[in-house]
Amino acid sequence: DQQVKQNSPSLSVQEGRISILNCDYTNSMFDYFLWYKKYPAEGPTFLISISSIKDKNEDGRFTVFLNKSAKHLSLHIVPSQPGDSAVYFCASETGNQFYFGTGTSLTVIP
Amino acid sequence: KAGVTQTPRYLIKTRGQQVTLSCSPISGHRSVSWYQQTPGQGLQFLFEYFSETQRNKGNFPGRFSGRQFSNSRSEMNVSTLELGDSALYLCASSLFGGRGTDTQYFGPGTRLTVL
Repeated sequence: DQQVKQNSPSLSVQEGRISILNCDYTNSMFDYFLWYKKYPAEGPTFLISISSIKDKNEDGRFTVFLNKSAKHLSLHIVPSQPGDSAVYFCASETGNQFYFGTGTSLTVIP
Repeated sequence: KAGVTQTPRYLIKTRGQQVTLSCSPISGHRSVSWYQQTPGQGLQFLFEYFSETQRNKGNFPGRFSGRQFSNSRSEMNVSTLELGDSALYLCASSLFGGRGTDTQYFGPGTRLTVL
């Protein structure tokens, strides 16, 4: 039972443009939502998070938006850079465990 | 400071065997969580150890077990291996469990192949 879903397995974007990665969840009890980035042969690296009581969090080029009524969150990367090419996982946290999506592979084309 | 290390990085076993994977967390971190990553399933939570006690457990069969030592190093054991256990096994360390503003730091993973 996939409680966190990333329906786009891949995304290609031109360098300098905006990348938008999407994530849907089913459990309204999630407390925190997180995004991780993963390069090949490395473990996931924390990118940005948002509390369930907020609807936006920004950190440099990365902004996460949370729409609780739609149970949807998105990660915006502006401007996209070739070094952003990686697999992005969204994750949600309840009090006792984390649920991860299946990942979206982002390719930023120079 | 040193990151999370996992050994071995690659492992090949045959069905029915057992395997032990090791994870050394970041110094000072007391929580270690284990995840299984397979294509199409993303990362699935196995269990979390905090101060040598299993604090949370995911939905995996009893063949999957773990433990944590007093220095916070953790081991994961899989007995009676099945072909479906082939996966990347990731461990993550954090100060208190990675909740809220506490961050989980992942190791590079152990790639297990079951033949």
